[in-house]
Amino acid sequence: GAVVSQHPSRVICKSGTSVKIECRSLDFQATTMFWYRQFPKQSLMLMATSNEGSKATYEQGVEKDKFLINHASLTLSTLTVTSAHPEDSSFYICSARDPGEDSAFFGQGTRLTVV
Amino acid sequence: EDQVTQSPEALRLQEGESSSLNCSYTVSGLRGLFWYRQDPGKGPEFLFTLYSAGEEKEKERLKATLTKKESFLHITAPKPEDSATYLCAVQAPDYKLSFGAGTTVTVRA
Repeated sequence: GAVVSQHPSRVICKSGTSVKIECRSLDFQATTMFWYRQFPKQSLMLMATSNEGSKATYEQGVEKDKFLINHASLTLSTLTVTSAHPEDSSFYICSARDPGEDSAFFGQGTRLTVV
Repeated sequence: EDQVTQSPEALRLQEGESSSLNCSYTVSGLRGLFWYRQDPGKGPEFLFTLYSAGEEKEKERLKATLTKKESFLHITAPKPEDSATYLCAVQAPDYKLSFGAGTTVTVRA
């Protein structure tokens, strides 16, 4: 299957700072990438859809000014958590749609801890 | 609104004891139904995509089937390494995935 690389896998930051998470499709071009958030023992909740060259589409209840998404190329999308607070601590996961296989592949996830 | 319900929440099996996981769904315009495996602290690992009722797919000890209202993931003669959380998701026409809460499978040696 296709490979999606997410970096970093873990990050600890101080309250009030910003954190950037990268998601790369390594062996295919992804016109669409998705960002999810997962709380312990819960399923994945879609935060936003990232489209190459255009603005991201956010799900209801997700603050677009707090979670900045940039999809600058066909292989890279970034999620920046701005002015992070402890309640932003979570597991963030990206996925990329491979048009060639019509499947969605996921990155390894990023464990964000805000102290 | 798309809804995905997985049952049971948790499943404890003895090695070699076959069982099935259920995923029932309601969706307006199903593009596909996906099964993933997720290990603790990791992202979901793709297993199968099913597109139409009656379709079946197999991979090693896993077999997924699809009807118009539900999907089953059958685990045949499981091994301890099959222990994981199995996630079901439905894909809407806009390619968004809606996930169920998952079934956590524990296989004891």
